[in-house]
Amino acid sequence: AQKVTQAQTEISVVEKEDVTLDCVYETRDTTYYLFWYKQPPSGELVFLIRRNSFDEQNEISGRYSWNFQKSTSSFNFTITASQVVDSAVYFCALSGGGSNYKLTFGKGTLLTVNP
Amino acid sequence: DAGVIQSPRHEVTEMGQEVTLRCKPISGHDYLFWYRQTMMRGLELLIYFNNNVPIDDSGMPEDRFSAKMPNASFSTLKIQPSEPRDSAVYFCASSLRGGSMNTEAFFGQGTRLTVV
Repeated sequence: AQKVTQAQTEISVVEKEDVTLDCVYETRDTTYYLFWYKQPPSGELVFLIRRNSFDEQNEISGRYSWNFQKSTSSFNFTITASQVVDSAVYFCALSGGGSNYKLTFGKGTLLTVNP
Repeated sequence: DAGVIQSPRHEVTEMGQEVTLRCKPISGHDYLFWYRQTMMRGLELLIYFNNNVPIDDSGMPEDRFSAKMPNASFSTLKIQPSEPRDSAVYFCASSLRGGSMNTEAFFGQGTRLTVV
């Protein structure tokens, strides 16, 4: 069984603040994949990043950064200098390895960035 | 590629009617997923296919729901008969398992279903 927990239901920040979205996962697979998706108010689901279980390097892409720690089963997402356009629901997701590609999503975190 | 294409974008139907949602995955992708999104339950995986074969349908809520993938470029999700509690946004997604790596899933725009 696999499970993704996003404990933060809603976060509200003021523009230019840094914000971290938490994601904790559970899986019995030794190989697995983690993802973050963004769902803006328009409703589409936009892929942000994929991380493989055997690659624990952190990643930075512009104002976005991701911290993957297998020891704590966490894959947290930080937005630096947040902007109003970052307002969205952010989902963390997990898929198993091998042929069992079952993509499971967390409940999502609603981020509101106020001007 | 045009991405994952879903139709219709919006569907309003009366309770008891049959509803068919359609999905065209990205060409070359070998996995296809159907999700349902509601405020209460979030994003639920209903069923997924690999090479047109259903792999896991444990998320299908009940026998009123059925999904098919007759070929690599088309899938349907059918609800018969529909009920008001089926009202939700239904997403289709596809992905490619390249070699031994699972790649990201790309989502369609979704179908907003309202059953009155």
